[in-house]
Amino acid sequence: QTVVTQEPSLTVSPGGTVTLTCASSTGAVTSYNYPNWFQQRPGQAPRTLIYDTSDKHSWTPARFSGSLLGGLAALTLSDVQPEDEADYYCLLFYGAEGVFGGGTKLTVL
Amino acid sequence: QVQLAQSGAEVKKPGASVKVSCKASPYMFAAYYIHWVRQAPGQGLEWLGWINPNSGATKFPQNFQGRVTMTRETSIRTAYMELSSLRSDDTAIYYCARGGGAILEHFDYWGQGTLVTVSS
Repeated sequence: QTVVTQEPSLTVSPGGTVTLTCASSTGAVTSYNYPNWFQQRPGQAPRTLIYDTSDKHSWTPARFSGSLLGGLAALTLSDVQPEDEADYYCLLFYGAEGVFGGGTKLTVL
Repeated sequence: QVQLAQSGAEVKKPGASVKVSCKASPYMFAAYYIHWVRQAPGQGLEWLGWINPNSGATKFPQNFQGRVTMTRETSIRTAYMELSSLRSDDTAIYYCARGGGAILEHFDYWGQGTLVTVSS
């Protein structure tokens, strides 16, 4: 059973920068895992921010960026805004089967 | 603007089945994969599988084999997810989400979610 691990919670100050990570129990995350990142605010459906490691949608704010860092998938938020407080989930694929991370609760304080 | 409109909330008894629909507009429905994801109350997201609306091919995680069925009606641009032998721990919001055209792993739009409650 593949496990994808994220930080359970992180806190960042407004205007600051924070990096969320996504680790795979099978080893290094690569582009072939097609990392996706989603934002979910309370009571709302998830929203896709990043797909295929680092590609953004038209609605993705420029301050969000995706990358691979040291064998992990990473989501970096720069110039964090109060409205960025939310849960963030990564999704990795293994041979066309997806596995979500447990999510990171980001607090902006 | 792409929209995925899901069916309304359901209440089912343990052992029953539920079928959730996801109607897509206004893109070429058959050209993009549809994924299904669920979220139990207060919990994280769980991937349930995908369907290729063009071919009808599907893929599910091992722990849902035999219990989940994904189908589609291309004429009305609608995908369906049916879960059988319901248990109380199947209580969750069920979402459909659009995958890529050529690359199924590329997510973009999500449905609004359908609450399924399993209770005796």
